[in-house]
Amino acid sequence: QQQVKQSPQSLIVQKGGISIINCAYENTAFDYFPWYQQFPGKGPALLIAIRPDVSEKKEGRFTISFNKSAKQFSLHIMDSQPGDSATYFCAASIPLGQNFVFGPGTRLSVLP
Amino acid sequence: GAVVSQHPSWVICKSGTSVKIECRSLDFQATTMFWYRQFPKQSLMLMATSNEGSKATYEQGVEKDKFLINHASLTLSTLTVTSAHPEDSSFYICSARGFRGRSNQPQHFGDGTRLSIL
Repeated sequence: QQQVKQSPQSLIVQKGGISIINCAYENTAFDYFPWYQQFPGKGPALLIAIRPDVSEKKEGRFTISFNKSAKQFSLHIMDSQPGDSATYFCAASIPLGQNFVFGPGTRLSVLP
Repeated sequence: GAVVSQHPSWVICKSGTSVKIECRSLDFQATTMFWYRQFPKQSLMLMATSNEGSKATYEQGVEKDKFLINHASLTLSTLTVTSAHPEDSSFYICSARGFRGRSNQPQHFGDGTRLSIL
């Protein structure tokens, strides 16, 4: 129940296209859902996060869509660029929970 | 934004050596720090959680005598890999998190330490 499932495992998108990564969870106590971006040899960096009281959050080209009833959330990267090529991790946390539960990651490659 | 500094970024040493990795939160007080291990092309594997001034909580299968964690202040945690062996070679990443009232705050990660044991 603590798991966060993430798909696809890898994704190849043409420059200018839309990248979509999906995550699903079981634990209805989760109330914080961040996305992290990791480049090779670097630590993950917080990209965008959402709480379940909203269905969508947009920051620049990055949008999180959240479906509370389906217990799913997704990251959309609009106008994908080669510089977006990285591994993306979704995560979830319970209220005042110490740790995050991370998804297995999605390797995104944006072709020039 | 919140900054977490991790040092060193790369360590190469002989088998049997003990290696210390530092993790500092530079612009916020980290009530909790986490240590992860990451294998190539895999997700983050949580090793332990530490709260300032108390003993770390280790995940199942992580040897606490092998991986010593100290969280002496709200801005510094250290991981010491004792008597390191080649199988300990990995990418180690720390993260730090503060709490603001009752709301969750994100974890902020350091840039990781590549440990290579010869």
